[in-house]
Amino acid sequence: DTGVSQDPRHKITKRGQNVTFRCDPISEHNRLYWYRQTLGQGPEFLTYFQNEAQLEKSRLLSDRFSAERPKGSFSTLEIQRTEQGDSAMYLCASTLESGITNEQFFGPGTRLTVL
Amino acid sequence: GQNIDQPTEMTATEGAIVQINCTYQTSGFNGLFWYQQHAGEAPTFLSYNVLDGLEEKGRFSSFLSRSKGYSYLLLKELQMKDSASYLCAVYDDYKLSFGAGTTVTVRA
Repeated sequence: DTGVSQDPRHKITKRGQNVTFRCDPISEHNRLYWYRQTLGQGPEFLTYFQNEAQLEKSRLLSDRFSAERPKGSFSTLEIQRTEQGDSAMYLCASTLESGITNEQFFGPGTRLTVL
Repeated sequence: GQNIDQPTEMTATEGAIVQINCTYQTSGFNGLFWYQQHAGEAPTFLSYNVLDGLEEKGRFSSFLSRSKGYSYLLLKELQMKDSASYLCAVYDDYKLSFGAGTTVTVRA
């Protein structure tokens, strides 16, 4: 296992379209996180899963956003009716909750551009 | 709420030392992380402090004072490849809350 992977790496879409991103975490990691990062800012927490259960969602996450982790392995993040303000880098991270440092390992991100 | 402050930019010369300060006021605290992020890439882990004091890892060291809500990252013997954004992040019960990042530019 070479780390967290995300697909696609880049997505350009028109306003109003739906998009779906995929994240494959490090295989033994039980926690999976989604963050959003805009230019000049640090990553901002969106949601996280412990195994297949979605335990927390940011209040900033609108109803147009939904995330799943159906079998406790990979996760998908869907954005419906995209808006230009959704343009950002979407980062996935994973960690082993019982690990010593709770270090989160980040994937390369999916850069979304909404035209 | 979470409030994490760090300088926006710093510039230093190759071979020099740079110290990046981070102050935080957060509702929970279970440790402080420093991540390095090169432009267009994912953040990569540098250091973790959960107790007060200095943690040293090669050219990088990180310090934490929980009573003061303060941390710093010390980069020694700067190299050109150290030009990047450095993110201070506080870990609460389950998530990381990040500062906006400090862009360090290393000049020859």
